[in-house]
Amino acid sequence: DGGITQSPKYLFRKEGQNVTLSCEQNLNHDAMYWYRQDPGQGLRLIYYSQIVNDFQKGDIAEGYSVSREKKESFPLTVTSAQKNPTAFYLCASSIFPGLRNTEAFFGQGTRLTVV
Amino acid sequence: AQKVTQAQTEISVVEKEDVTLDCVYETRDTTYYLFWYKQPPSGELVFLIRRNSFDEQNEISGRYSWNFQKSTSSFNFTITASQVVDSAVYFCALSEANSGNTPLVFGKGTRLSVIA
Repeated sequence: DGGITQSPKYLFRKEGQNVTLSCEQNLNHDAMYWYRQDPGQGLRLIYYSQIVNDFQKGDIAEGYSVSREKKESFPLTVTSAQKNPTAFYLCASSIFPGLRNTEAFFGQGTRLTVV
Repeated sequence: AQKVTQAQTEISVVEKEDVTLDCVYETRDTTYYLFWYKQPPSGELVFLIRRNSFDEQNEISGRYSWNFQKSTSSFNFTITASQVVDSAVYFCALSEANSGNTPLVFGKGTRLSVIA
C-alpha cells in the first residue's frame, strides 16, 4: 500500500538526549514536511524539503535538524537544544509544489514525551 | 504574510444537526489554494478538499459542503445531518502560489463533538 510511515508511534526521551523520528514515503513525492502539533496550537512547520539534498527551515526550526539523502526518507532529529520537545510530530509529503495538485498526505504521527 | 483563523475552538452538536465550521484567511497572493483536513482521534490528518483561488464554485460531497467567498476571505465547511463519526478536529489550511506553492499554513483547528 502507498503511504507515509512514521516510526515510532510513541517515543520517550530523557532530557539532554537527541532523538530521531523516522518518516518514509512510497508515494514518489518530491516534497516532504515536518509539522509539530501542540494542544490548541494547530500545526506549525518545522522543516520542509522540496528535492533531495535540499531543505528549508520552517517557522519553528530551532532545536531541530533534518536530512534528505533519499527521496523517500526525511528523518527529523530533536536535539537537546529544543527546550520543550514534548509534542505530537506529523510528517507529510506532496508532489512537486509547482504542480496544481498540492494537497499533502500525512503520516500517523509520533508522540514524543520528555521524561 | 499568510494566516488562517479558525475562531471556533470547540463546537458540540447533537446528532443530525447541521454544523458550520468557519475559516478566514489572509494572503497577498492572487493565486492560492485552500484546504480542509479532518483529524480523528487516531491522529492522522485526512484530506477533505482543495480549492484554488480562481474557482469560487461551492462544492458538495455527500453530507459535506464548502462555501468559498473571496469577498470575505472565507472558506467555510458545513456538515449536514451530523453523525457521531464526524467527531474530530478539523483544520483549514492555506498555500500561497504566486511564486511556487508554499507549504501549508494551518489554522488552530476546531474540535467538533457530535453527541448521540
